[in-house]
Amino acid sequence: GIQVEQSPPDLILQEGANSTLRCNFSDSVNNLQWFHQNPWGQLINLFYIPSGTKQNGRLSATTVATERYSLLYISSSQTTDSGVYFCAVNNDMRFGAGTRLTVKP
Amino acid sequence: EAQVTQNPRYLITVTGKKLTVTCSQNMNHEYMSWYRQDPGLGLRQIYYSMNVEVTDKGDVPEGYKVSRKEKRNFPLILESPSPNQTSLYFCASSRTGGTLETQYFGPGTRLLVL
Repeated sequence: GIQVEQSPPDLILQEGANSTLRCNFSDSVNNLQWFHQNPWGQLINLFYIPSGTKQNGRLSATTVATERYSLLYISSSQTTDSGVYFCAVNNDMRFGAGTRLTVKP
Repeated sequence: EAQVTQNPRYLITVTGKKLTVTCSQNMNHEYMSWYRQDPGLGLRQIYYSMNVEVTDKGDVPEGYKVSRKEKRNFPLILESPSPNQTSLYFCASSRTGGTLETQYFGPGTRLLVL
């Protein structure tokens, strides 16, 4: 089956810094979503982005389907951005292992 | 408010004691699914349901059962729980199981099997 790899596994930032999270996948995809899991375990859908670029406030995402990767950008990070970020692909929502982001005040 | 609810949120049980985790959505979604989350492994799909009375296995179905008798409910059943089923469980739903759909997740159920 399709493999999904996320990098880096852990990321520590100072508040206000920018960051880029990466999701690589081993085959073509017809669905890709980014999720944020907050420190209380709640999963929040950030973007549905099988291709192209989307922006929502300080967050944006780009998927280059032909090159099999997606990037999640977080600008001017805040402590509330802390948590684990997952990408998931295809109808069966195959998840990567996640990137754990810690934003320090 | 559109939401997916799960109950209970936390559960401690013992090996072999049957349990059910309920999942309900109020969005009239056709597609529902269950995942388990374990450290370093992300989320893995246990079972999914494309519609009422239609269920199918995901990646890790062993030791679990599901049923979909009504559109809004999709309970997860552990007939004889074992310690390796200690995990964080999420229920999710989407309008259909198609490629263009966004999935909505419940708040999670933390299960500890002693």
